Amino acid sequence: QSALTQPASVSGSPGQSITISCSGTSNDIGNYNLVSWYQQHPGKAPKLIIYEVSERPSGVSHRFSGSKSGNTASLTISGLQAEDEADYYCGSYGGGRIRVFGTGTKVTVL
Amino acid sequence: QVQLVQSGAEVREPGASVKLSCKASGYTFTTHAMQWVRQVPGQSLEWMGWINTGNGDTNYSDKFKGRVTIARDTAASTGYMELRYLRTEDTAVYYCAREGGTYWCDPWGQGTLVTVSS
Repeated sequence: QSALTQPASVSGSPGQSITISCSGTSNDIGNYNLVSWYQQHPGKAPKLIIYEVSERPSGVSHRFSGSKSGNTASLTISGLQAEDEADYYCGSYGGGRIRVFGTGTKVTVL
Repeated sequence: QVQLVQSGAEVREPGASVKLSCKASGYTFTTHAMQWVRQVPGQSLEWMGWINTGNGDTNYSDKFKGRVTIARDTAASTGYMELRYLRTEDTAVYYCAREGGTYWCDPWGQGTLVTVSS
């Protein structure tokens, strides 16, 4: 039940695109298309922004997109905006009724 | 609207227990599982466990097995999480979240800060 691995920080200028990786194993990300992504602003609860690898909940900006290749999932934020500055976490089903989250990535808008 | 409202902040001494609540509204409580997740200050999200609110089935992270119990009261549309034998390193914000059919969490409760200090 190890945490998924994410880069500690990613930064970009307004208008640019950035990608956050989420590395797991063949027991979690590699075996299930059940990856979700969450955005968390300081002092706030996490908010779902991607589910089932690449699906966006109603109301979430189209600038957020998700993908997966092998044991690694990715979140791309296009047209970076100041309001996107936050912490981002991936999550996955880990088999055996286990869930697992990522180590988290701090996104800075330069 | 779908909403989860958690109980207020708690302060406990090491060795004590704490029981948190999470009241759901805006949906049929028993149709969605509930997860409990904690976040130590400055650290990442940590999955603690899960309850099938329909039949009461539970599963816990190995890290918390033996110390945590998750339960629910269907009549009150409320989930509970009890953590025993508290240590100072259990100081954290504890969240409940509604789980979707494919293991995503939405929405989340506002979080409950538990402070463990002598």
